Amino acid sequence: AQKVTQAQTEISVVEKEDVTLDCVYETRDTTYYLFWYKQPPSGELVFLIRRNSFDEQNEISGRYSWNFQKSTSSFNFTITASQVVDSAVYFCALSGGSNYKLTFGKGTLLTVNP
Amino acid sequence: DGGITQSPKYLFRKEGQNVTLSCEQNLNHDAMYWYRQDPGQGLRLIYYSQIVNDFQKGDIAEGYSVSREKKESFPLTVTSAQKNPTAFYLCASSIFDEKLFFGSGTQLSVL
Repeated sequence: AQKVTQAQTEISVVEKEDVTLDCVYETRDTTYYLFWYKQPPSGELVFLIRRNSFDEQNEISGRYSWNFQKSTSSFNFTITASQVVDSAVYFCALSGGSNYKLTFGKGTLLTVNP
Repeated sequence: DGGITQSPKYLFRKEGQNVTLSCEQNLNHDAMYWYRQDPGQGLRLIYYSQIVNDFQKGDIAEGYSVSREKKESFPLTVTSAQKNPTAFYLCASSIFDEKLFFGSGTQLSVL
């Protein structure tokens, strides 16, 4: 069975602070994919990143960066110099096997205060 | 513009009533999914379909039914057997193991 744990239910920061959202996963698949999605108050999920299990390189996209560590089964997400527009619920998700369905964590509500 | 359209945005169900949530996509994706979101619970998979005329139960299929008669459409029916239907429902589509594209969701409430 697959499982995704986002231990941080809510995080509150002040604008311009750096913030890291944690994600720990469990899977028996040798090939799998990890995702991060953002859900703003409008409700629609916005894709941020997809990483396959064979690529452990960290990735940076503007103020966003991701740290994938297979040894600890973690795929953490860091926002540098946070902004009010970053306020949202962030979901980590995992897919593996042959059916491509995603298993989601419970999400982390990030509030960035001005 | 290509995307996923869910309707209605808000829906109210009376006790004992079946209601159907619409999901249409023009992305030419083979796979489609229905997720349910409850506050603080993340997203849970209800049903998914990888090809027309075929669909599979997800983790919480009881009380729900789907059909996939056309590639573009994957409607979800919330039956009277679903005793706690109040939730936010999200439809998604994808090309096999690529990223999921999501609709804007339907909020279902019980009168």
